[in-house]
Amino acid sequence: DTGVSQNPRHKITKRGQNVTFRCDPISEHNRLYWYRQTLGQGPEFLTYFQNEAQLEKSRLLSDRFSAERPKGSFSTLEIQRTEQGDSAMYLCASSLGGDGYTFGSGTRLTVV
Amino acid sequence: SQKIEQNSEALNIQEGKTATLTCNYTNYSPAYLQWYRQDPGRGPVFLLLIRENEKEKRKERLKVTFDTTLKQSLFHITASQPADSATYLCAPTISSGSARQLTFGSGTQLTVLP
Repeated sequence: DTGVSQNPRHKITKRGQNVTFRCDPISEHNRLYWYRQTLGQGPEFLTYFQNEAQLEKSRLLSDRFSAERPKGSFSTLEIQRTEQGDSAMYLCASSLGGDGYTFGSGTRLTVV
Repeated sequence: SQKIEQNSEALNIQEGKTATLTCNYTNYSPAYLQWYRQDPGRGPVFLLLIRENEKEKRKERLKVTFDTTLKQSLFHITASQPADSATYLCAPTISSGSARQLTFGSGTQLTVLP
């Protein structure tokens, strides 16, 4: 296993379009997290899964955002009707237990 | 509201010196604190975790202290090298039942000059 994999690495989309990102965590990790990071800031928590159950969602996660983790394996994050303010790096992380997260390289979203 | 402050946005030091990065937090009591390194265009990489009942933890050239009275953690890199240049993020973490979401500071950008 080579770590947490995120696809695509970069995504440019027009305002109003829907986008979907994929995260493949480390296979034995039961916990999966999505974060968002803008330039010069630390990552901000979006949502958390333990196996296939979505257990926590940040208030940052508006109704336009939805995340899934079918069968407790890979996860997808969808943003509907994108806005320019959604432009950011979207990071996925996984862990076995709660300590020492392993992050992917992220998906950089640019909304034009 | 909860707040995390990391010292100065950028820190420049000479190769071979010790870099000291500061993380202060207010309005909450983390069960433990994590430090991550982030290179441009990459995700953070986990470095060290220190628990509230530990005063100090070391890993190779890295040392972390955690003072719950001062609400502060210090992160030291001894014998610094240009390859240590990166942004370092602290993440005081609350153990809250089923979820352990990390809350990150905005980071300190360290540059080690040859």
